[in-house]
Amino acid sequence: EVQLVESGGGLVQPGESLRLSCAASGFVISNYWMYWVRQPPGKGLVWVSRSNKDGSSTTHADSVKGRFTMSRDNAKNTVYLQMNSLRVEDTAVYYCGRGGSWGSIDFWGQGSLITVSS
Amino acid sequence: IVLTQSPGTVSVSPGERATLSCRASQRVSGTHLTWYQQKPGQAPRLLIYSSSTRATGIPYRFSGSGSETDFTLTISRLEPEDSAVYYCQYYGASPEVTFGPGTKVDIK
Repeated sequence: EVQLVESGGGLVQPGESLRLSCAASGFVISNYWMYWVRQPPGKGLVWVSRSNKDGSSTTHADSVKGRFTMSRDNAKNTVYLQMNSLRVEDTAVYYCGRGGSWGSIDFWGQGSLITVSS
Repeated sequence: IVLTQSPGTVSVSPGERATLSCRASQRVSGTHLTWYQQKPGQAPRLLIYSSSTRATGIPYRFSGSGSETDFTLTISRLEPEDSAVYYCQYYGASPEVTFGPGTKVDIK
């Protein structure tokens, strides 16, 4: 069974850093692109980052570029999102997802809530 | 690319049909147009990819169509468990991934 489990969320103050982890099971992440998508409370889905299969290419949304970095450890079957200089507007549930066919995300984790507040 | 979804909310009786629209700000490839369902408190679920291909395990009452700038998700014979928010998404460039704002489907 395919599973994605995010961890590392919580309450932080503006300007602080946090690292999210997404542990995969039931499949090998080295065969897939992986994504991070976030959802502010009561709002819609927003793409954050994407990593290709070996992590040699990552892309980030303009809103997080220079502050967030996506990475992966294929040996641990885990992807990460390092978040620096966090802002109040980064408050959201963060989902990791497995890349599917034609740019879709075919499996999603349950999400991890990050609250940025003083 | 900006995706606009309409209506914002639709209220439909069980057994009826719901038609959800996703409009792109410019012509896009239907190959990279995807639909998701999200129920309250849950992660999104993949419904349709490549505009019209149902994902594994998705009931036949869900169908997708469209091309260029106009895409449609149709839910025929609505069931109570179809109450959710539905998002369209495009994979392309600048930004690489774009989501629409969602359409909420309420069951009367």
